[in-house]
Amino acid sequence: AQSVTQLDSQVPVFEEAPVELRCNYSSSVSVYLFWYVQYPNQGLQLLLKYLSGSTLVKGINGFEAEFNKSQTSFHLRKPSVHISDTAEYFCAVSRFLTGGGNKLTFGTGTQLKVEL
Amino acid sequence: NAGVTQTPKFRVLKTGQSMTLLCAQDMNHEYMYWYRQDPGMGLRLIHYSVGEGTTAKGEVPDGYNVSRLKKQNFLLGLESAAPSQTSVYFCASRRTSGRKSYEQYFGPGTRLTVT
Repeated sequence: AQSVTQLDSQVPVFEEAPVELRCNYSSSVSVYLFWYVQYPNQGLQLLLKYLSGSTLVKGINGFEAEFNKSQTSFHLRKPSVHISDTAEYFCAVSRFLTGGGNKLTFGTGTQLKVEL
Repeated sequence: NAGVTQTPKFRVLKTGQSMTLLCAQDMNHEYMYWYRQDPGMGLRLIHYSVGEGTTAKGEVPDGYNVSRLKKQNFLLGLESAAPSQTSVYFCASRRTSGRKSYEQYFGPGTRLTVT
């Protein structure tokens, strides 16, 4: 079975400071990994994904994540955050379903709060 | 393109009432999904569909039914609402092939309260 652990439920950070949101996964097979962002009262938007290839993945809004197979981690980073980055961030792992399609297993989310 | 839309945005039900949530997508995606989001639990898959006329159970299907009579629509029904079904419901869809085939596109959500 697959699971996703987001170690921090809340991360406060000052504007222009760097941030890292942690994500660890457990899976016995190859995985596809995703980070989604949810702004207040909105749906989820894909930030970035890792399917294969380079372990450093760049996404939208200046975010990047590094896939580390040995540590089973996919941490999200941004070198300098902005007030507008305040949102909830979800890490997710994908697996195929026997009936077709794929299933995303989500972590419990990390609330990033950027302060002035 | 409107993407994925959900109707209604908000709803309050009394215990035992029924309702249907509508999800529509205009991207010609084959796969569609219903999730529920609860505080501290992330999103959990309720039901999904891999094509018109087909549905399957996810991890929390009890108390819900779904139908996919048209490719662009995916309906989620609650026959007898319970307070435990108070949640935010998200619909998502994805294509079956191509570079973005692993990406699920989400709707804006429906906030349901059952009293």
